Amino acid sequence: KAGVTQTPRYLIKTRGQQVTLSCSPISGHRSVSWYQQTPGQGLQFLFEYFSETQRNKGNFPGRFSGRQFSNSRSEMNVSTLELGDSALYLCASSHSGTSGLDEQFFGPGTRLTVL
Amino acid sequence: DAKTTQPNSMESNEEEPVHLPCNHSTISGTDYIHWYRQLPSQGPEYVIHGLTSNVNNRMASLAIAEDRKSSTLILHRATLRDAAVYYCILRDSNSGYALNFGKGTSLLVTP
Repeated sequence: KAGVTQTPRYLIKTRGQQVTLSCSPISGHRSVSWYQQTPGQGLQFLFEYFSETQRNKGNFPGRFSGRQFSNSRSEMNVSTLELGDSALYLCASSHSGTSGLDEQFFGPGTRLTVL
Repeated sequence: DAKTTQPNSMESNEEEPVHLPCNHSTISGTDYIHWYRQLPSQGPEYVIHGLTSNVNNRMASLAIAEDRKSSTLILHRATLRDAAVYYCILRDSNSGYALNFGKGTSLLVTP
């Protein structure tokens, strides 16, 4: 079974631009979560999508948004990029995540650098 | 959100057992205790989880205190590949069972 894939793996943008990152979950998984990892703040939860609906959201500004398609693939978008958005963006998928028991499987991440 | 406290770092010799502690004194009755680890240059991976009883799997064991205010992840025989940051996370319904990672414990394994 293929793991979680994320594209692109590396990205360089400039301040003020916007960026879209993509995540393909493990086949059969319906929940996709996004995380931001920085040296200063560590791993922080961004949001979770399940059946094309945002089910949960972390504490990030509205510049961070996402969506999920009918095939469970997900994209996240960051608008008006700031230097502080430079980070590793991780995507994780799970079957449903409803019970608190579901193991989340993480992708390798997309390394975003904002200049 | 319920919070966890872990030591910043620990060191172990290869092939020795490792006990990674986690304090979660404000845990509620329905919070699940999950452990994930992140190897260098990789995304996190699931290790083990439990609610009240001790748990074993092929990777590790999880010992949960009777009052559930603390838990210990046990690696029975550390290998160099176990060098990673280990995160103890409480998953609760109030936060939609989100994985709220803390700082974790950086485990160094020496030959």
